[in-house]
Amino acid sequence: EAQVTQNPRYLITVTGKKLTVTCSQNMNHEYMSWYRQDPGLGLRQIYYSMNVEVTDKGDVPEGYKVSRKEKRNFPLILESPSPNQTSLYFCASRGTGANVLTFGAGSRLTVL
Amino acid sequence: AQSVAQPEDQVNVAEGNPLTVKCTYSVSGNPYLFWYVQYPNRGLQFLLKYITGDNLVKGSYGFEAEFNKSQTSFHLKKPSALVSDSALYFCAVRDRGSTLGRLYFGRGTQLTVWP
Repeated sequence: EAQVTQNPRYLITVTGKKLTVTCSQNMNHEYMSWYRQDPGLGLRQIYYSMNVEVTDKGDVPEGYKVSRKEKRNFPLILESPSPNQTSLYFCASRGTGANVLTFGAGSRLTVL
Repeated sequence: AQSVAQPEDQVNVAEGNPLTVKCTYSVSGNPYLFWYVQYPNRGLQFLLKYITGDNLVKGSYGFEAEFNKSQTSFHLKKPSALVSDSALYFCAVRDRGSTLGRLYFGRGTQLTVWP
């Protein structure tokens, strides 16, 4: 089944403890992106990647890092999480020339 | 700058009645327009899109949307609402002239259909 898989789906952590949210897609998509969803703010893009080793900042990149060493994987790294990063995170992908994004199921992160 | 406005945080409608979820947009060029739906504890699912051609676009689950260039709107509609349509709906826009192909989302509209 064509899909975007995120892990973990739920995580509670403490301020300053580094964490990684993994994202993997099995559709050979070039474009991948991370969003955060907050009530009243909709979806805001954190980082995106046009292809392997090509990443760029979205609208809210502060406090996050990404890497794209392989086409299928696009992990989101929080080096020192803070409570304002408590949010619902979505990874998404699409192929070159395609218009429709395929989303993962989401990762709900709570930073205490 | 690209932006999307969904002026209503919530829309409530009785089952069987028509529904409309509003969306207006602003792009520097010509737009690609999308609607996505999010059910509780799920990721966003694609509903329909306008790329070119007929201004009335039909999508999944009986939904449709009309592209109105003069009013820069792309309202989502359904002739007869179902309780199962209750979800969070997002409008999104992409500038077709942009090589980056970034998608900009509205804040979402919570649709509640009561029996």
